[in-house]
Amino acid sequence: EPEVTQTPSHQVTQMGQEVILRCVPISNHLYFYWYRQILGQKVEFLVSFYNNEISEKSEIFDDQFSVERPDGSNFTLKIRSTKLEDSAMYFCASSPRGMDEKLFFGSGTQLSVL
Amino acid sequence: GESVGLHLPTLSVQEGDNSIINCAYSNSASDYFIWYKQESGKGPQFIIDIRSNMDKRQGQRVTVLLNKTVKHLSLQIAATQPGDSAVYFCASSWDSSYKLIFGSGTRLLVRP
Repeated sequence: EPEVTQTPSHQVTQMGQEVILRCVPISNHLYFYWYRQILGQKVEFLVSFYNNEISEKSEIFDDQFSVERPDGSNFTLKIRSTKLEDSAMYFCASSPRGMDEKLFFGSGTQLSVL
Repeated sequence: GESVGLHLPTLSVQEGDNSIINCAYSNSASDYFIWYKQESGKGPQFIIDIRSNMDKRQGQRVTVLLNKTVKHLSLQIAATQPGDSAVYFCASSWDSSYKLIFGSGTRLLVRP
């Protein structure tokens, strides 16, 4: 069964450093997402992406965050200057058509900011 | 505000029994609901979904019930197995939004 893959599984970085989290969505899906889960808390929406542009973003997704689809297969989340509170599990997801349908999630990247 | 919440943080059931996990949502405009299962170290896995024009939907060993009057959603798992042990999240969305709003999760523990 096709799946969303994420790399790396763990990322440790120093506060103020830039990180890039990588995802390969399911190949025939058109909508891509990033969610995050701080330890012990809910899964939170960050951003959705379609047709090479952001379709929706949350308040969390401020100017420090950006997303990109640099080629036909990868989808990345960049945090320009990491803060301690960015430490979380980051999940990439994709879906075929967008609204009102199930998302397929990757296994996540655990980001630790020291 | 928008929120999706769960009634119980942990549910312990005997193997073979049925499990019922409940969820309340606050946004009356929500029209799509979904249950995910999350095992340790993994991402959320789809279990079952339901749209607001339905009040019940069945899958393999799972049933989702939707009561729009009281804004309540439940997941029923028949003949619970050890492999069902996980955290279960409900989530919802509404027309014109791409985002899913997740609940805080219920941990299901299956006793042998």
